[in-house]
Amino acid sequence: GIQVEQSPPDLILQEGANSTLRCNFSDSVNNLQWFHQNPWGQLINLFYIPSGTKQNGRLSATTVATERYSLLYISSSQTTDSGVYFCAVGRGAQKLVFGQGTRLTINP
Amino acid sequence: NAGVTQTPKFQVLKTGQSMTLQCAQDMNHEYMSWYRQDPGMGLRLIHYSVGAGITDQGEVPNGYNVSRSTTEDFPLRLLSAAPSQTSVYFCASRGGAGEKLFFGSGTQLSVL
Repeated sequence: GIQVEQSPPDLILQEGANSTLRCNFSDSVNNLQWFHQNPWGQLINLFYIPSGTKQNGRLSATTVATERYSLLYISSSQTTDSGVYFCAVGRGAQKLVFGQGTRLTINP
Repeated sequence: NAGVTQTPKFQVLKTGQSMTLQCAQDMNHEYMSWYRQDPGMGLRLIHYSVGAGITDQGEVPNGYNVSRSTTEDFPLRLLSAAPSQTSVYFCASRGGAGEKLFFGSGTQLSVL
């Protein structure tokens, strides 16, 4: 099956800093999504981005499907950005496979 | 719209007991799935369904059963609970292959 690797596993930053999270995957996919799990455990879908670039406020994501990676950018970090960020990949209607996540801590 | 609704939010079981985790969505989504999340690990797929009457196994299906009699509901049954099934369980749904996946709020299950 498809393998998903996220890096770094942990990231600690000061408020206002920028960050880049990476998701590598082992096979071709046509479904890639980014999620944020907040400290209360709620999972929020950030982006559906099988290819190209999308932006939503301070967050943006880029997927280069031919090179099998995706990047999530967070600019001007706020404490509310803390939590775990997951990417998930899949093909067509098949199941989504999740990475292990990146734990982001934003200190005030 | 309520989105994806899971019940209960918390549950404590004794080894060997059975129970059903409920999941319902009101978005007319065809695809529904169950994941478990263990400390320090990502989300692992238990079972999924691509439509009413159709279910399939994920990565960790042993000890769990599912059925999909309606589009809205996708219950997860623990047949004989074991301590290894202590976890947080999430139900999720999406409209189709090219659509976002939405999660319920989770069920924290402890098996003693």
